[in-house]
Parts: sequence; structure tokens; C-alpha cells
Amino acid sequence: GAGVSQSPSNKVTEKGKDVELRCDPISGHTALYWYRQSLGQGLEFLIYFQGNSAPDKSGLPSDRFSAERTGGSVSTLTIQRTQQEDSAVYLCASNGPTRRSASGGTSYNEQFFGPGTRLTVL
Amino acid sequence: DQQVKQNSPSLSVQEGRISILNCDYTNSMFDYFLWYKKYPAEGPTFLISISSIKDKNEDGRFTVFLNKSAKHLSLHIVPSQPGDSAVYFCAASGSTGANSKLTFGKGITLSVRP
Repeated sequence: GAGVSQSPSNKVTEKGKDVELRCDPISGHTALYWYRQSLGQGLEFLIYFQGNSAPDKSGLPSDRFSAERTGGSVSTLTIQRTQQEDSAVYLCASNGPTRRSASGGTSYNEQFFGPGTRLTVL
Repeated sequence: DQQVKQNSPSLSVQEGRISILNCDYTNSMFDYFLWYKKYPAEGPTFLISISSIKDKNEDGRFTVFLNKSAKHLSLHIVPSQPGDSAVYFCAASGSTGANSKLTFGKGITLSVRP
């Protein structure tokens, strides 16, 4: 497809279980980001991948969270031993070159978001 | 410490009138400022952005104004339409590498009354 896709769209799990969330970025986009939105909060940065460079993991809230990006395309976010506070919408975004908008202006750092995975930890 | 702040949680305007959404930031190192629109159960959709070297950017009904000295930006939507009703997020970032990660405000819910 033309946009960023994520799976599953919804995930309900029991506390203590591991979950894996998947993101397919826009083809050709070298930058990939994971964010999450907890109830009543803004979007919070988790991790950033750029090409083959080492990822920026500075936003991961604990060592139970990890992510990888295989072949510079698909990314998976893994949460081990899930806790109730991990319940949130997990959003993936990808970014390509700076582009011109329809009106001719420049779009700076336009990140394209997927629909998100809503994670509920019971 | 919240670096991007949207202090009003909601705004209601009449169709056809102007909507003004405000955003403040604390980090003077931000290079880009962006506005995203979000409907329930969907990911955010990019609306418009501005570079820190500009003070205005316009795209159709949407205009973003940046006041660097006040560390303040605003999004103007004119004329407002009922389909504009959504949550609007202000975001900011650096320009390269890991600094390109977006720092978001908590959002403002815009309701446009027919």
C-alpha cells in the first residue's frame, strides 16, 4: 500500500505476557519512528531508526521494550512482561526527503503515521 | 518538563469563522514546527509545518505563524468547516538525525459548529 501500515490494530494481553507489534513503513523511507499515546497524553517518542545506523533508543521507558528493523524496512516493537501501564496506542511513522506541498510550499520533517496498535494489558 | 505546550484542551467555533490554535515551546534549539490533525482510531495526519527561520507559512485554509522571541506558534484555519473537527497536535523537532524525533503537545480538541 501507499501508506504506513501497522499490525495488529488491536491487541489485548494479560499482564506478564510478551507482545510484538509490527510496522511497515512507506517504501523508500529510510527514517522510522515509534511513538506511543497513553490515555490523556500527547504522543511520546520511543525509538528512531535511520538506515543502517544504530537506533536512538533514548525514549524507551524501560528495558522491557526493544525494537528492531530488518533490512531497513519492516520494524517490530517488542514489549516483554507487559504491565498495565504499557496500555496505550503505539504509533509508527516514517519519513522521506523534504517535499513540496500541493500549494508549492516546503514540508519540513513531515512524518507519515500509521493507524496505530491499541494495546490493552489486563 | 514539557517542552511543547498546548494550554487549552478544547476550542469551539462557528462554521465559516476563524479557528486559532495556540502552542508554546521552551526549547530554543527546535528547527521545525509542525501541526498534525487526528481523528479517533486513526494515526495523526500532517497538516502544515514551518522552519524556525520563517515567521509564516500558508497552505490553503491553513496558516502557521511563528514568533521565535515569544517561543509561540499558532495555527489559523479560515474558514473553519465541520470536517475540521478533530484533535490538533503541535509538534517540534530538530533538523537532522535523532533530533528529527517529534516532541508533541497534548493536543487540543477543535469542534466546528454547523
